[in-house]
Amino acid sequence: NAGVMQNPRHLVRRRGQEARLRCSPMKGHSHVYWYRQLPEEGLKFMVYLQKENIIDESGMPKERFSAEFPKEGPSILRIQQVVRGDSAAYFCASSGGIVEWTEAFFGQGTRLTVV
Amino acid sequence: SQQGEEDPQALSIQEGENATMNCSYKTSINNLQWYRQNSGRGLVHLILIRSNEREKHSGRLRVTLDTSKKSSSLLITASRAADTASYFCATVSQGAQKLVFGQGTRLTINP
Repeated sequence: NAGVMQNPRHLVRRRGQEARLRCSPMKGHSHVYWYRQLPEEGLKFMVYLQKENIIDESGMPKERFSAEFPKEGPSILRIQQVVRGDSAAYFCASSGGIVEWTEAFFGQGTRLTVV
Repeated sequence: SQQGEEDPQALSIQEGENATMNCSYKTSINNLQWYRQNSGRGLVHLILIRSNEREKHSGRLRVTLDTSKKSSSLLITASRAADTASYFCATVSQGAQKLVFGQGTRLTINP
């Protein structure tokens, strides 16, 4: 049973370009979470999705950021018109049920560098 | 918003010693989870402790939870060089369906 898979592992974008980060949850998991981590800091919650639904997007910036988790395929975190401040590690996690009752498993992350 | 706060921020000990890290939080929780992160890597789940539990063990790990003080501790016994990593506590508040992380404790085990 493969773990949470994120790709790419490293992504370099020029200012103004779009970044698309992909996350395939563990088999059987239908709950996906996205987090952002700056160097030497903890993880900041961005968004929680279930299949085809955004449940909690309270941590998402109001502009340029969007997330989806379609019926088929991976979850996508999309950042439009990237700026230098978007440079960070983005982690995806999945769980088999709500995290009130079960643990979440994390991927290896995508490290985004905006030049 | 920050929920968990780890203490200390950094800890350096000799191999073989025990390491204790603490986590304090602010709101009522359903559970608290501890994770380890090696430099430049993803997070590895260590232990989940529910709000009605006081202590859990997993190998060399021991986690306690005191809901009256809103605090938890992670004890690693007989530390090894491979335990060098950052350790994070994450809480799930009642009514919320997300993990909220603290800033982490950076643990260094000296051989």
